[in-house]
Amino acid sequence: NAGVMQNPRHLVRRRGQEARLRCSPMKGHSHVYWYRQLPEEGLKFMVYLQKENIIDESGMPKERFSAEFPKEGPSILRIQQVVRGDSAAYFCASSPGTGGVADYGYTFGSGTRLTVV
Amino acid sequence: AQKITQTQPGMFVQEKEAVTLDCTYDTSDPSYGLFWYKQPSSGEMIFLIYQGSYDQQNATEGRYSLNFQKARKSANLVISASQLGDSAMYFCAMRESQAAGNKLTFGGGTRVLVKP
Repeated sequence: NAGVMQNPRHLVRRRGQEARLRCSPMKGHSHVYWYRQLPEEGLKFMVYLQKENIIDESGMPKERFSAEFPKEGPSILRIQQVVRGDSAAYFCASSPGTGGVADYGYTFGSGTRLTVV
Repeated sequence: AQKITQTQPGMFVQEKEAVTLDCTYDTSDPSYGLFWYKQPSSGEMIFLIYQGSYDQQNATEGRYSLNFQKARKSANLVISASQLGDSAMYFCAMRESQAAGNKLTFGGGTRVLVKP
């Protein structure tokens, strides 16, 4: 039973390019969450998605960032026209549902380290 | 106001000794959960322990225990008998029942270095 799969593990982009980060949730999980971790900081919530729906995008920057979780395939976090400040680790988590405050099924992927040069 | 505060940016601990990592939180939600995660240098987030706001007893998981003081809004992590492999960043996090979905709010973390 594979865990949450994120790829690539490392991604280098030049300023102005696009970055596409992929997240395949655990089998049976229909809820996906994206977090960003700047160097030496904790994780910050970005967006929460269910299949084909964005439920909460309160943590997403207003411009250049978008996320999707299509009916088929992985969830994608897309960053257009990247800038150096986008350099960070981006983590995806998945869960089988919203089972209350505990939700032991909440599982993180290993993250994608984005470096903008 | 910060929802999760970890006041110790870094700590040294002698191998085989215990260490306490501080975490205070702020919420008006009567139902919430508190989590601790370990992030080693390899970068993954490893779940350690969970405490629910209505739990009567402090949570324990092996060498990890959570000192939950609800009135003080603190949820300190205690690692007993430290091992070299415990060297890592440790994050405290909270989930509130009134927050949309299952998102977690994280503190800034504490870096622990275990000395042989």
